[in-house]
Amino acid sequence: AQSVTQPDIHITVSEGASLELRCNYSYGATPYLFWYVQSPGQGLQLLLKYFSGDTLVQGIKGFEAEFKRSQSSFNLRKPSVHWSDAAEYFCAVGAGNTGNQFYFGTGTSLTVIP
Amino acid sequence: DGGITQSPKYLFRKEGQNVTLSCEQNLNHDAMYWYRQDPGQGLRLIYYSQIVNDFQKGDIAEGYSVSREKKESFPLTVTSAQKNPTAFYLCASGTFRETQYFGPGTRLLVL
Repeated sequence: AQSVTQPDIHITVSEGASLELRCNYSYGATPYLFWYVQSPGQGLQLLLKYFSGDTLVQGIKGFEAEFKRSQSSFNLRKPSVHWSDAAEYFCAVGAGNTGNQFYFGTGTSLTVIP
Repeated sequence: DGGITQSPKYLFRKEGQNVTLSCEQNLNHDAMYWYRQDPGQGLRLIYYSQIVNDFQKGDIAEGYSVSREKKESFPLTVTSAQKNPTAFYLCASGTFRETQYFGPGTRLLVL
């Protein structure tokens, strides 16, 4: 069965520090992978996606993620965090063979300290 | 402006009452989805529809119903059978094997 694990429920970083949010997935075929960000009381905004090709993908707001098939991981990174990055981050895998059904992780809450 | 709209932003339900959440998209997407979000549980799929007049149950469909009479619209009804309806409800749309785009959400509260 498809699943997504985000092992870190909550992360605190200082403004200007680097960030890495972890995501591991379980899926039999080549996955479609996504990272979304959610501000309190809002919908989800797409940060970046991986379908195929280059395993390092760039997204909006200076985020990037690397697909590592051998580790079943799709970790999100940012070299220098801004206070406005404080939000909830969700990793998702798209099970394309079953009609574009998505499976979401439980999210990582990011706090940024000034 | 292209996008997904959800209404209302807040909805209050009385005991035994059915309530309907609206979701409209003008992105010309074939597929639409309803998710429920509870603290610490991520997003759970309630129903999804890949084409008009067709929809499938997701992981937590009990106590909910949907219809898809138009491509642009995918309303969700929370029935009285749903005993714990308090949550944040998110609607999304997308095309097959492509990104899902989300609406701003509706928060449902029980009086």
